[in-house]
Amino acid sequence: GNSVTQMEGPVTLSEEAFLTINCTYTATGYPSLFWYVQYPGEGLQLLLKATKADDKGSNKGFEATYRKETTSFHLEKGSVQVSDSAVYFCALKSGGTSYGKLTFGQGTILTVHP
Amino acid sequence: DAGVIQSPRHEVTEMGQEVTLRCKPISGHDYLFWYRQTMMRGLELLIYFNNNVPIDDSGMPEDRFSAKMPNASFSTLKIQPSEPRDSAVYFCASSNAGGSYEQYFGPGTRLTVT
Repeated sequence: GNSVTQMEGPVTLSEEAFLTINCTYTATGYPSLFWYVQYPGEGLQLLLKATKADDKGSNKGFEATYRKETTSFHLEKGSVQVSDSAVYFCALKSGGTSYGKLTFGQGTILTVHP
Repeated sequence: DAGVIQSPRHEVTEMGQEVTLRCKPISGHDYLFWYRQTMMRGLELLIYFNNNVPIDDSGMPEDRFSAKMPNASFSTLKIQPSEPRDSAVYFCASSNAGGSYEQYFGPGTRLTVT
């Protein structure tokens, strides 16, 4: 079946530091990949996505590249801000009988200090 | 667009009572999802609907949980009887095939069962 594995958290960084959150997946076929972000007290919201191999998703300074050869979709940002403190979820969507359903990773808590 | 609407935002109830959570998806979306989030178990998919029909309810914890979608603009998640271990944040999300299945989450209902 489908699965998503994220790096263990929590992650604590100083403002302007470089961020990487690792995400690897297992899926049949050619899934679409997503990063969602959850700010305190809110629901999840889509941060970026990639629908095919070698695609790069980007938004708000965050980037992730769909690497089929390593089955990875790592999230990066060159300079984090305090306002980036949130929980980040990697997710995938594949077809077949689970059409429409997303499989989420366990989430990674990011805290950025001034 | 008002986004996904959930009510109530907070619910405190005593063990054994019936609890009903409500969700209004984004107009035009044909998928609706119910999730539960806890610190211990993370984000869990409970059930999802396509065109008002339940597609996969394998995540529903037990018979005390039930979900309905009587029409395209309304869904309920009911817990009867409630137990303290049901305390969690419950999210509703909706999506549509034409939007690459991006899921839009509501703000959640924080349920506390004492």
